[in-house]
Amino acid sequence: EPEVTQTPSHQVTQMGQEVILRCVPISNHLYFYWYRQILGQKVEFLVSFYNNEISEKSEIFDDQFSVERPDGSNFTLKIRSTKLEDSAMYFCASLDRGRGGYTFGSGTRLTVV
Amino acid sequence: QQQVKQSPQSLIVQKGGISIINCAYENTAFDYFPWYQQFPGKGPALLIAIRPDVSEKKEGRFTISFNKSAKQFSLHIMDSQPGDSATYFCAAAAGNTPLVFGKGTRLSVIA
Repeated sequence: EPEVTQTPSHQVTQMGQEVILRCVPISNHLYFYWYRQILGQKVEFLVSFYNNEISEKSEIFDDQFSVERPDGSNFTLKIRSTKLEDSAMYFCASLDRGRGGYTFGSGTRLTVV
Repeated sequence: QQQVKQSPQSLIVQKGGISIINCAYENTAFDYFPWYQQFPGKGPALLIAIRPDVSEKKEGRFTISFNKSAKQFSLHIMDSQPGDSATYFCAAAAGNTPLVFGKGTRLSVIA
């Protein structure tokens, strides 16, 4: 069964450093999303991406965050200057055009120290 | 308007029993209602989903019941097993809009 692949599985970074989280969505999917989940809390929407541009973003997705699809397969989330409160699991998801469901990757655990 | 309210927050069920988790929503534009299962350290995995044109969907031991007029939907796990112990999230979306998640229910199935 097709999968959404995320790398790395765990990233530890110093506060103020930049991090890039990578995702390879399912190849024929057209809609891409980033979500995050702070430990023990619910899954929160960050941003959606369609047709090579952001289609929607939440209030969490401030100027420190950016997304891009640099090569037609990878989908990246960049956090420019990490803060302690950015520590969370970050999940990538993709959705096809039809009536199928969203498929989530297994996540990147980001720890900011 | 965008919230999905999930209850209970935690649930303990005897092996072989029925686990029931409920969700309610306000946005009548929602047209896709999935349930996700999440094990510690893993991403949410789609368990079962329903569209508002049906009132019930069953897959194995898992059943979604959907009440459009009440704007509620629930997950029933029949013959609950210890391997079902996980966190369950309901969610909702309208078209291609982002999923809105409930806060999750931590299910523990005890022998």
